[in-house]
Parts: sequence; structure tokens; C-alpha cells
Amino acid sequence: AQSVTQLGSHVSVSEGALVLLRCNYSSSVPPYLFWYVQYPNQGLQLLLKYTTGATLVKGINGFEAEFKKSETSFHLTKPSAHMSDAAEYFCAVSDRGSQFYFGTGTSLTVIP
Amino acid sequence: EPEVTQTPSHQVTQMGQEVILRCVPISNHLYFYWYRQILGQKVEFLVSFYNNEISEKSEIFDDQFSVERPDGSNFTLKIRSTKLEDSAMYFCASSIGAGSHEQYFGPGTRLTVT
Repeated sequence: AQSVTQLGSHVSVSEGALVLLRCNYSSSVPPYLFWYVQYPNQGLQLLLKYTTGATLVKGINGFEAEFKKSETSFHLTKPSAHMSDAAEYFCAVSDRGSQFYFGTGTSLTVIP
Repeated sequence: EPEVTQTPSHQVTQMGQEVILRCVPISNHLYFYWYRQILGQKVEFLVSFYNNEISEKSEIFDDQFSVERPDGSNFTLKIRSTKLEDSAMYFCASSIGAGSHEQYFGPGTRLTVT
């Protein structure tokens, strides 16, 4: 069975500081991994995804994530937080079927 | 940029009533999905739809739920007899393929059952 664990339901960082949002997954098959962002009153928007190939993937808005198979992790990072990054972030895994399994989300607050 | 749209944005209904949530997926997409998010909880998969039939469904998607693609553009979720616990945000999504393909999500319909 597939599952996603996001450690830290709330993360606060200062503007300009490193953003690190944690995601660990469980999958019975080689996973496809995704990070989505949700701004207030909006749908989920894809930040980046890992399917195959390079384990460090770059996404929109300066975010990147690294797939570490040995650690079953797919943590999301951004070197320098911006006020506009304040949002809810969801990690998801696909088991190669049509269903995505989401984590519980991490709410990111950026402090000026 | 093409996007998934959903109507209404907010639906209030009484327990036991039927509701239909509507979605217009991206036009060249072939897979369609419904997810729900109960307040404060994770986004949960309900059902996927491909080639005019359900391809996967979760335990949540019981006989009270049904999906339909009545024409070439709309994709609907019907809840036959709503319960209080059906109150949630319902997201429609679509994708061009399954598995590695990203799913594009709509803005959601907030369903409140009173």
C-alpha cells in the first residue's frame, strides 16, 4: 500500500531563510512523487514531480526536491523564502495507477 | 493556460438531499478524478474515470456516490443522500494519462451538509 507522511503540519521561516518541507513515502512499487501547493481558496498546483532519471528535480518558483530511495524521502527545499511562498504544501505518491495518495499537508508561514 | 473549472464554489444542502457537483476538465485530458478534503485532513482519493467508466475507486466511494460524463465536456459527482460527514471540499482533477502524469486540479467545491 502507498502512503505519505509529512512531518510538521506547520512550518514557519523568516523571509530569505531556507525552506525545508519533509515528505516520506511508502510504496510497494517504484514511486512517482509529486509536490503540490495550495494557495487560499484555490486548487492544488503542481510544483514539481519525480518519475525517473535525475533524483534532484527542479520546479516552479525556485523550489526543488530530491528523491532519496534509501531514505524513502522526497523533501522539498527552497534556498530563500519569499512572502509569496506562504501556502499549504502537499506531497503525493502515485503507485503507477490512477490514484494519488496525499500527505496531510504542511502549512508554510513566512515571517517578514 | 487551460484549467479545470468547478461549479458551484460552495454548496449548502440538508442531510438526505441529493447534490451534484460539476466539473469541466481540461479538454484534451482523458482521465478524470474526484478527491475530497475534510477540513484539517488530507486530500483523499474518491474515484478515477477513463474511457467512460470507473477505473479505480476508494472505500469512501460507496453506493451513495456516482460519477458521470454526460457530454463531451462535463464530469459530475453525485451524492445520492448526503450525510453530515460528507461535508468537505471536493476537488475535481484531470490528466492526460495515468501514473507519472500530473493531475490538474480545479479550485474545489465546498460542500456543507446541515
